[in-house]
Amino acid sequence: KQEVTQIPAALSVPEGENLVLNCSFTDSAIYNLQWFRQDPGKGLTSLLLIQSSQREQTSGRLNASLDKSSGRSTLYIAASQPGDSATYLCAPLRYGNKLVFGAGTILRVKS
Amino acid sequence: EPEVTQTPSHQVTQMGQEVILRCVPISNHLYFYWYRQILGQKVEFLVSFYNNEISEKSEIFDDQFSVERPDGSNFTLKIRSTKLEDSAMYFCASSAGDLSNQPQHFGDGTRLSIL
Repeated sequence: KQEVTQIPAALSVPEGENLVLNCSFTDSAIYNLQWFRQDPGKGLTSLLLIQSSQREQTSGRLNASLDKSSGRSTLYIAASQPGDSATYLCAPLRYGNKLVFGAGTILRVKS
Repeated sequence: EPEVTQTPSHQVTQMGQEVILRCVPISNHLYFYWYRQILGQKVEFLVSFYNNEISEKSEIFDDQFSVERPDGSNFTLKIRSTKLEDSAMYFCASSAGDLSNQPQHFGDGTRLSIL
């Protein structure tokens, strides 16, 4: 059974800092991994999808890496802004098109 | 940008009543999903649906739950006899395919409150 852990559980940083969110998963038999953002009371916004054959994917200030064999992914956010404040979720995709979610990292960027 | 829309945004229902949650997936998508998130807990997979059939379901998705695509645009989740523990945020998602490069896109969710 796939278990997904995200560290840290919460993070508070001043505006402008670069930061790294960590995700680990127990079963490396995945097809891809998605990173999502969730604002309070809202749905999930897909940020990045990184395929199992890829090592890295970039979108603007976001960069996601994947090391499938060790069961790890990181999300790097450059030059953080107050608008980046949200919960960030990682979710590897398993057989059956099932996303398995971590508990998330709650990010607060202070202005 | 196309989006997944869900209605209603909040549903309050008495225990034991039937409830139907509605979703309009992105128009050219072929794969549809329901997930739920109990307050303070992780998002959990419920069911995936393709070609008018369930392709995968979790142990949560028991006989009280059913899904349907009644027409070319809607995708519904029905809970036959609601329980207190069904209170959660229910998310619908869709994807263009089941390939590893096809992201799942989520709606804003329906908050279901069972009294």
